[in-house]
Amino acid sequence: QQQVKQSPQSLIVQKGGISIINCAYENTAFDYFPWYQQFPGKGPALLIAIRPDVSEKKEGRFTISFNKSAKQFSLHIMDSQPGDSATYFCAASGGTGNQFYFGTGTSLTVIP
Amino acid sequence: EPEVTQTPSHQVTQMGQEVILRCVPISNHLYFYWYRQILGQKVEFLVSFYNNEISEKSEIFDDQFSVERPDGSNFTLKIRSTKLEDSAMYFCASSGQGAGTDTQYFGPGTRLTVL
Repeated sequence: QQQVKQSPQSLIVQKGGISIINCAYENTAFDYFPWYQQFPGKGPALLIAIRPDVSEKKEGRFTISFNKSAKQFSLHIMDSQPGDSATYFCAASGGTGNQFYFGTGTSLTVIP
Repeated sequence: EPEVTQTPSHQVTQMGQEVILRCVPISNHLYFYWYRQILGQKVEFLVSFYNNEISEKSEIFDDQFSVERPDGSNFTLKIRSTKLEDSAMYFCASSGQGAGTDTQYFGPGTRLTVL
């Protein structure tokens, strides 16, 4: 069972544009939703995270939108830069366990 | 800023051999994790460890795998008899509270290649 579904698989955006990555989850017990950024050969690094008591969280150019009723959340990268080119993973956790369930990843390429 | 470290960065081994992957979690963290990522695929949970015992494990974490915290700083993953399909990046992570809502910090990974 795929606990977290992520789309698109890959994304190409012009510099200055908005990158949007979407995730949907199954388990209503999830209560923590982080986004990780991963560069080639490196480990995932926490980018931003949200809990379901708010519908939006913004940190700099990065915004998470959260829709609890639809069980969906998304990452918006404003003014995308070539340095943002990386793979982005959404994740979810909560309930009785403490493992993170990761989405399948989105490879973002920002073209100069 | 404190970080999770892992050694070695790359391990090459023959099928059937035992390997030990090492991690030094962030010093004041209490919960430790191993994940793996097969090339081009998503990150998959293997096991979590707290208070010197396994707290949760996935179906991937079979009898070939074991974890240990041999001293106050290291956290190891042992694969007893490696298979070709064990080739992957292995990430160690740690968190302070491990309540599922606490951020997990990942190390840079060990690339395991089984020949």
